[in-house]
Amino acid sequence: GDSVTQMEGPVTLSEEAFLTINCTYTATGYPSLFWYVQYPGEGLQLLLKATKADDKGSNKGFEATYRKETTSFHLEKGSVQVSDSAVYFCALNNNDMRFGAGTRLTVKP
Amino acid sequence: GAGVSQSPSNKVTEKGKDVELRCDPISGHTALYWYRQSLGQGLEFLIYFQGNSAPDKSGLPSDRFSAERTGGSVSTLTIQRTQQEDSAVYLCASSRVIGTGQGYEQYFGPGTRLTVT
Repeated sequence: GDSVTQMEGPVTLSEEAFLTINCTYTATGYPSLFWYVQYPGEGLQLLLKATKADDKGSNKGFEATYRKETTSFHLEKGSVQVSDSAVYFCALNNNDMRFGAGTRLTVKP
Repeated sequence: GAGVSQSPSNKVTEKGKDVELRCDPISGHTALYWYRQSLGQGLEFLIYFQGNSAPDKSGLPSDRFSAERTGGSVSTLTIQRTQQEDSAVYLCASSRVIGTGQGYEQYFGPGTRLTVT
């Protein structure tokens, strides 16, 4: 069945460092891909999405490109801030949603 | 507009007691989902509703778990005879429609943290 595999955490970075969180997927057809973020004590929030191959989703300085050839949707940010500390979930929708296990990011000042 | 709301935000209960968790989706969203998130774990899908109907209940962990939705709106997740392994954050989400295409993004509530002592 469909599945999402994302980079295991935790990830610890210094402020202004470059962030990459890897995500790969297995799915039939043409799923839509998402990144959700969960700040401490809160529910999940949609961060960005891409609905077809080569689409780039972006929001709050984060970006991810839907790469069908490598079945990937890696999350990147050029310069992280302390406020980006959260758990990040990669997900796909191919008639039902599948979530990755989540990657905890801690950004230190 | 208002987002997805859940109540209570925290619930502490004794082993063996029944608990009821409530989810109020975004108005007009036909699909509603329940997930469980154990400490440090990802999301475990439990059940979804399309309108008031739950086509697939196979994600519920045991027959102690049940869920219903009335009026195409509020949903309750009931756990009977709670066990310590039921301790987790229970998340609810809603979306305008089921499936792919426009309107399928899931919007999450803040969750209910359940602790079984």
